[in-house]
Amino acid sequence: GENVEQHPSTLSVQEGDSAVIKCTYSDSASNYFPWYKQELGKGPQLIIDIRSNVGEKKDQRIAVTLNKTAKHFSLHITETQPEDSAVYFCAATYDSSASKIIFGSGTRLSIRP
Amino acid sequence: EAQVTQNPRYLITVTGKKLTVTCSQNMNHEYMSWYRQDPGLGLRQIYYSMNVEVTDKGDVPEGYKVSRKEKRNFPLILESPSPNQTSLYFCASSSTPWTSRTDTQYFGPGTRLTVL
Repeated sequence: GENVEQHPSTLSVQEGDSAVIKCTYSDSASNYFPWYKQELGKGPQLIIDIRSNVGEKKDQRIAVTLNKTAKHFSLHITETQPEDSAVYFCAATYDSSASKIIFGSGTRLSIRP
Repeated sequence: EAQVTQNPRYLITVTGKKLTVTCSQNMNHEYMSWYRQDPGLGLRQIYYSMNVEVTDKGDVPEGYKVSRKEKRNFPLILESPSPNQTSLYFCASSSTPWTSRTDTQYFGPGTRLTVL
């Protein structure tokens, strides 16, 4: 079945440095790739997303890149700050059956002061 | 304030005792969904609903039921809970399925369920 693999499972970076989280999806029909941030004790929140007709999207300090051929997509956070510490989830879905969405297993990002 | 509410937030129960976790949204969203979150497995979709009286199975529907009699409510029912259903459960809603270019998916605060 469809699968989304996410790496690494934990990531610790120095404040101010960049963080990169990578995901690989199995279903080549997938065409929408959201990223979610989950803070302790809260539900996930959408932070950025990308569609398959776009290779890169940026929103201030966060960016997402997509390589459709390799079925990879990545989240990049630059100039990391303490409030970036959270669990991040990638996900993949496709328009023809837009209701089903497959999540990665999550990355716990810690920002060291 | 736009929000998704879940009740209860915490529940400890015993095997076989039927329970219902309620989910309600105040945004007039058509689309609602239930997930369970387990360590190392991320979020897995249990059931979703495209609109009133329209529900469908996600990836892990076994042992769960849902109903969508009204637009704002989407309860999750465990007829005979088992210990492997111990998990953190999230309800989510959006005005359209996630692939909408302008839509945001809202998650509830979560319900931590323990089945002994």
